[in-house]
This record gives sequence, C-alpha cells and structure tokens, in this order.
Amino acid sequence: QKEVEQDPGPLSVPEGAIVSLNCTYSNSAFQYFMWYRQYSRKGPELLMYTYSSGNKEDGRFTAQVDKSSKYISLFIRDSQPSDSATYLCAMSDHGSSNTGKLIFGQGTTLQVKP
Amino acid sequence: DTGVSQNPRHKITKRGQNVTFRCDPISEHNRLYWYRQTLGQGPEFLTYFQNEAQLEKSRLLSDRFSAERPKGSFSTLEIQRTEQGDSAMYLCASSFGLGETQYFGPGTRLLVL
Repeated sequence: QKEVEQDPGPLSVPEGAIVSLNCTYSNSAFQYFMWYRQYSRKGPELLMYTYSSGNKEDGRFTAQVDKSSKYISLFIRDSQPSDSATYLCAMSDHGSSNTGKLIFGQGTTLQVKP
Repeated sequence: DTGVSQNPRHKITKRGQNVTFRCDPISEHNRLYWYRQTLGQGPEFLTYFQNEAQLEKSRLLSDRFSAERPKGSFSTLEIQRTEQGDSAMYLCASSFGLGETQYFGPGTRLLVL
C-alpha cells in the first residue's frame, strides 16, 4: 500500500462547477500538506500549503486537512478551462532526519470543459 | 526570472550512455531536492542536499546515480550506463529552510532508447 493514495481520474467537469479532489494517507506523522498543480510537461507549481489540521482558503481554492481521518481535500470553486491540469497532493513529516522530503500522491487529472 | 532552472530540458540518449543534468536553485535556498517522475505518477524523492552536504538518498538511487552540489550552489545529477527504465522526468526543487515551500524547476525529460 502506498503512503499516499490519490484517485488518478480523469475527472471531467463543466466550466463553473465545484471540483473536489482528495487524498488519503497512512503515515500519522505527516504534518505538512500541500497541493501542487502541474500542467503537461511542466514542473509542479504550489497551490496551497497547510500545517496540521484545518481549512485554508485562497481565492477560488480551499484546502482541508482532517488528520483524525488521514484525509485531505482541495476544492476549486467556479472552475475554469485554465484549471485543466494534474493536481498532486504532497505531504511531509520532518522526522529525525529533518529532510523535509515530500511524499506525493499519484495525481488527479482534471479537465474543465467550456 | 529568479525561479529554479534546469538544463537541459530534454535529453535523448542511447542505452549505456552517461548523462548529466544541472539544477540551479533559487538564490539563497540552502535546501535542494531531486525527484523523479514517471508517466502517470507523482514525483518520487531521490536525494536531498543541505548546502553542499548530501544528507539523504532514496533506495531508488542506485549506484549508477550520483549527485553533487559543490559549494552549496548548483547541483548535478549524473546517471551512468543508462537503462530504458531510467526514462522519466527529473525534477529539482529548492527551499529556504525546513518546513518552507519547495519550489520546483521545469524538469529535465530523459528518454533512453
């Protein structure tokens, strides 16, 4: 079993829809949770960064972390065709080595149709 | 542009050849990471530098792989005797400190024929 599970999709929605993307994880030591967006053949770009549990909102994006359920979500409101990309969840625990290395999910491919 | 840069962006090589990739992190970022991403998968951690010291290597990093970060500035990743299974996107990321955001470069896409 992978440490971080993410449904690869693809997920197709009409423009303006609310999109919900999710990841589950097994390592209770994870404290830092991130969502990255990756366009085809590009490097990942950070969207949201959350420490521990709770919600964080930035424009049309809301990130939620539920550590008790080991479940994180990203919501996109009023989705746009330009949101079409692969969304990667990533997590980190600093542990004894303090590397800060990220553990990624598989990524969910999102297509927003005009 | 003061982001993370990687060169080359694309590399095609024949099996058995050696290849070297370069990463220039964001200035003053002391932490540098290498990840590998295969098609349809998320990036996987390969190795980590704090300044010039290589402090962690993944078991994915076989003895054919070597990475350096001389003087704590740019970093190089070398793959010797490439195999077809090495075909992937190699990503570099840097951050200012522990718990800080990791900024990724555009990646180097390697194809081994």
